[in-house]
Amino acid sequence: KQEVTQIPAALSVPEGENLVLNCSFTDSAIYNLQWFRQDPGKGLTSLLLIQSSQREQTSGRLNASLDKSSGRSTLYIAASQPGDSATYLCAVTSGGYQKVTFGTGTKLQVIP
Amino acid sequence: DAGVIQSPRHEVTEMGQEVTLRCKPISGHNSLFWYRQTMMRGLELLIYFNNNVPIDDSGMPEDRFSAKMPNASFSTLKIQPSEPRDSAVYFCASRRVDEQFFGPGTRLTVL
Repeated sequence: KQEVTQIPAALSVPEGENLVLNCSFTDSAIYNLQWFRQDPGKGLTSLLLIQSSQREQTSGRLNASLDKSSGRSTLYIAASQPGDSATYLCAVTSGGYQKVTFGTGTKLQVIP
Repeated sequence: DAGVIQSPRHEVTEMGQEVTLRCKPISGHNSLFWYRQTMMRGLELLIYFNNNVPIDDSGMPEDRFSAKMPNASFSTLKIQPSEPRDSAVYFCASRRVDEQFFGPGTRLTVL
């Protein structure tokens, strides 16, 4: 059974700081890994999708990396802004039925 | 594209009542997912469909929950009878190949 862990559960940083969010998974036989953002009371917004054959994906100030052998992904946010404050979740697709397993999320607060 | 559409956005009901949540996936997407999110348990996958066929319903908590997808553009999640512990936000998501797109969710409160 795939298990996905995100550490830390919460993170508070001053504006402008570069930061890294972590996602770990137990079964390395994955199809892909997706990073989402969730604002309070809202749905999930897709940020980046990394295929199992890829090492990283970039979108603006966001960079996601994937190391399947170690069961880890990181989401790097450059020059953080207060608008980046949200909960960030990673989701792993794996298994014969391409089941999706979510991590518990990291709640990020960027202080002006 | 309107994205994934869910209705209602909010539902308040009394224990024992039947609740039906609705989802319209993005056109052309062939996979549909139902999730439940609570503070205690986070985001849980309840069931998902490929080409309208239920593939994995191991996340459905008990027989009170049922889901259907009669065609490619519509799915329902039904709870009968509802209980206070079913209170949560229920999300629907759809996927064409790899990337999932989520609806805004239905906030269910069972009194």
